Amino acid sequence: KAGVTQTPRYLIKTRGQQVTLSCSPISGHRSVSWYQQTPGQGLQFLFEYFSETQRNKGNFPGRFSGRQFSNSRSEMNVSTLELGDSALYLCASRAFREMNTEAFFGQGTRLTVV
Amino acid sequence: GENVEQHPSTLSVQEGDSAVIKCTYSDSASNYFPWYKQELGKRPQLIIDIRSNVGEKKDQRIAVTLNKTAKHFSLHITETQPEDSAVYFCAATHSGNMLTFGGGTRLMVKP
Repeated sequence: KAGVTQTPRYLIKTRGQQVTLSCSPISGHRSVSWYQQTPGQGLQFLFEYFSETQRNKGNFPGRFSGRQFSNSRSEMNVSTLELGDSALYLCASRAFREMNTEAFFGQGTRLTVV
Repeated sequence: GENVEQHPSTLSVQEGDSAVIKCTYSDSASNYFPWYKQELGKRPQLIIDIRSNVGEKKDQRIAVTLNKTAKHFSLHITETQPEDSAVYFCAATHSGNMLTFGGGTRLMVKP
């Protein structure tokens, strides 16, 4: 069974641009969560989707948005990029709706904003 | 919302010694407490988890203990090996809530 796949692995963008990251969950998993990982802030929750609906949202500005498609693949978009958005963006998928079940992480997309 | 604090942020041990990482949480409704290991440049991977109806769980050299009353849980690694060197994250949640992570502990095992 293939694991969680994130594309692209690396991105370099210029301040003010926008970016879209993709996450394909493990086959059969319908829950996808997104996290931002930085050296100073650790793993910060962005949002979580289940069956194409956003169920939880973290404390990030509206420049960060996401969606989930009917095949459970998810995308997150960051508009008007800032230098501080440079981070590793991880997604995780779950087999079940309940958040208190194992989450499987992808390898992440490393975003660098210059 | 949930708040998870993790200590220490850095831990250095000699190979063969034990390592203990501690976490506290704030939401008494939290009932699931996973621990993730993240090696350099790799994805976080679940190494052990515990639910609130259990006080302790072991898996070979790794154990986790939970004190619901005090709202803290700990990861214990015995007979540490160089390959245990990584960043470890604790987390807490309940069924409808987002998974909240601690700040991470960088464990270094010196051969």
